[in-house]
Amino acid sequence: QSVLTQPPSASGTPGQRVTISCSGSSSNIGSNTENWYQQLPGTAPKLLIYSNNQRPSGVPDRFSGSKSGTSASLAITGLQSEDEADYYCAAWDDSLNGVVFGGGTRLTVL
Amino acid sequence: QITLKESGPALVKPTQTLTLTCTFSGFSLSTGGVGVAWIRQPPGKALEWLAHIYWDDDRRYSPSLRNRLTITKDTSKNQVVLAMTNVDPVDTATYYCAVSLYYGNWFDPWGQGTLVTVSS
Repeated sequence: QSVLTQPPSASGTPGQRVTISCSGSSSNIGSNTENWYQQLPGTAPKLLIYSNNQRPSGVPDRFSGSKSGTSASLAITGLQSEDEADYYCAAWDDSLNGVVFGGGTRLTVL
Repeated sequence: QITLKESGPALVKPTQTLTLTCTFSGFSLSTGGVGVAWIRQPPGKALEWLAHIYWDDDRRYSPSLRNRLTITKDTSKNQVVLAMTNVDPVDTATYYCAVSLYYGNWFDPWGQGTLVTVSS
């Protein structure tokens, strides 16, 4: 049971816009910044979004993050086949004094 | 360019102590705001943060594993070591190390990971 709650799956067709939600609490998302990671099949996770809505160098602007209260969202526009991956949200939790992850969302491009 | 690589045994017996080493390059763990974390992922399951050590030797542990984990650093060797005592088959996972910079709580980049199987 993960501290942050994500839908287990999401899907879309090429070119579509999809969003993945991440629900937390006042001790994590509600009081700290949110980060998102992309894990392609058989590879290590890669930072996709940090500090709620910042993209590391090299991440396309098709990926964007937002936060409202104790929830966060990852949006992917212009969906491409190479976006098929697992996506994880994460945040610092003040009560647990550590990083908490969501359970992950598997994105399928139909 | 920052790189990290995990190393350790691929197979460990139940009740033994697992020792993993993260060897990194491209940054110094004596620089303010820098930290190295360990994260694991059981086969087919989600990521789980285990421990984090910072440039000032501050250490944080997952509350559920705190009494089994020890994280240490050797700045001169550019290494971070994680020891996990009394391992169990449920500890079978791919173990990753990753760096956090600029006093941030995000990890970038990650090592390639090392699969550890706990079995008799």
